[in-house]
Amino acid sequence: AQSVTQLDSQVPVFEEAPVELRCNYSSSVSVYLFWYVQYPNQGLQLLLKYLSGSTLVKSINGFEAEFNKSQTSFHLRKPSVHISDTAEYFCAVSDRRNRDDKIIFGKGTRLHILP
Amino acid sequence: DTEVTQTPKHLVMGMTNKKSLKCEQHMGHRAMYWYKQKAKKPPELMFVYSYEKLSINESVPSRFSPECPNSSLLNLHLHALQPEDSALYLCASSQGLNRAGEQFFGPGTRLTVL
Repeated sequence: AQSVTQLDSQVPVFEEAPVELRCNYSSSVSVYLFWYVQYPNQGLQLLLKYLSGSTLVKSINGFEAEFNKSQTSFHLRKPSVHISDTAEYFCAVSDRRNRDDKIIFGKGTRLHILP
Repeated sequence: DTEVTQTPKHLVMGMTNKKSLKCEQHMGHRAMYWYKQKAKKPPELMFVYSYEKLSINESVPSRFSPECPNSSLLNLHLHALQPEDSALYLCASSQGLNRAGEQFFGPGTRLTVL
């Protein structure tokens, strides 16, 4: 079975400052990794994903995450945040063998941008 | 068309009512999901349909009844709900057969049970 740990329930950061949201996972099998974002009063949107290949993956709005197999981590980073990045961020993992694409979510990290 | 639609956006119902939530996708996805999300919590998986057959039921109470009439539609029938069932109900879809694992989510139905 897999599990996902997001150690920080809330991260306050000043606008234009860098941010890192931490994610660690536990699994005995190979996995896919995801970051989903949920803006206030909306559904979830995929921010970025790691399936295979390059361990550094990037989104179109400046976020990036690096898969570190030895540390079983998939931390999310952005060099300069904007007020519009205020949202809940969920790290998630999926068993590569799973026919149903079932994913396990972390508890989420609320990114709070300070003006 | 790369979106999942859900209707209604908001629903208020009494504990004796019967109502249904609807979800639709036209991406040719063969796996569809219902999640329940309480405030400030991650989504909790309720049901998974794979190729129009129920493949996962996460021990959901029988007052929630899913239905998959065809590969594009997913319904959730509600009956005799409790106030603690008030939540955001999210539908999602994916290609299935673990082709990439990514799920596409709808905007959700916010349900209030009085």
